[in-house]
Amino acid sequence: DTAVSQTPKYLVTQMGNDKSIKCEQNLGHDTMYWYKQDSKKFLKIMFSYNNKELIINETVPNRFSPKSPDKAHLNLHINSLELGDSAVYFCASSRDDGRDEQFFGPGTRLTVL
Amino acid sequence: QKEVEQDPGPLSVPEGAIVSLNCTYSNSAFQYFMWYRQYSRKGPELLMYTYSSGNKEDGRFTAQVDKSSKYISLFIRDSQPSDSATYLCAMKGSSGSARQLTFGSGTQLTVLP
Repeated sequence: DTAVSQTPKYLVTQMGNDKSIKCEQNLGHDTMYWYKQDSKKFLKIMFSYNNKELIINETVPNRFSPKSPDKAHLNLHINSLELGDSAVYFCASSRDDGRDEQFFGPGTRLTVL
Repeated sequence: QKEVEQDPGPLSVPEGAIVSLNCTYSNSAFQYFMWYRQYSRKGPELLMYTYSSGNKEDGRFTAQVDKSSKYISLFIRDSQPSDSATYLCAMKGSSGSARQLTFGSGTQLTVLP
C-alpha cells in the first residue's frame, strides 16, 4: 500500500516543453506539498496546499503551477521547461494538526535537455 | 546565511560506531524539530520528531534539542550498514516565515561493514 505515490518516476524532456507530474496520497491527509531537491540534496518547498489555502513560495517561477482536483491529489504543471528545472521533485502530505509530520513520495527525476 | 546549517559530509564510520549529526539554526521561531532519513533515489522518511529542548530516544536513535544554543543533534548508536543514507534535519514554527518546514542540506553517512 503506497501512501504517497508520484508518476512518472523519471521524466526526460526538451527545453521549452510543458509537462505534468501527478501525486496521490491515500493517507486521508489535508495538506499536500511539492518540493524541489537539487543536485546537492537541498530540499526546498515550492508549494503547500489544502482545501482552504494555497501557499506559494515567492521564489518559484510562475511557470510552475499546482493543481488539486481533490484532497487526495496535487499535480504539478510546468510550462516552458528550462535547463535549470532539472531536479528531483517530491510530493508530500501531512495532517492538518499543526505537527506537520510530512510523508514523502518516491520522487520524480526530471531531466531537461 | 541559510536559516538552517548542516554539515554535508560525507561522513564515513565503521560498523558499530556512534554517529553524531548536527544542525544549527538562526530562526528563534522554530519550535518543532525533525530528522528525516533519505536512502539513495528514495523519498525522505521521518525518523524523529521533537518539540521541546532535551533528549528523545527511539531504539538506537537519540534526538537532542538545545533551543538556547539553536542547535540540534541526532545520535546513532551501534551504527549498521543499513543506516547508510543522507540525514536531513528539518524544523518549523507556528506562524509567519517559520510556518513552512525548512530543511538542512543533509549529511551523507556511510557505515562500513
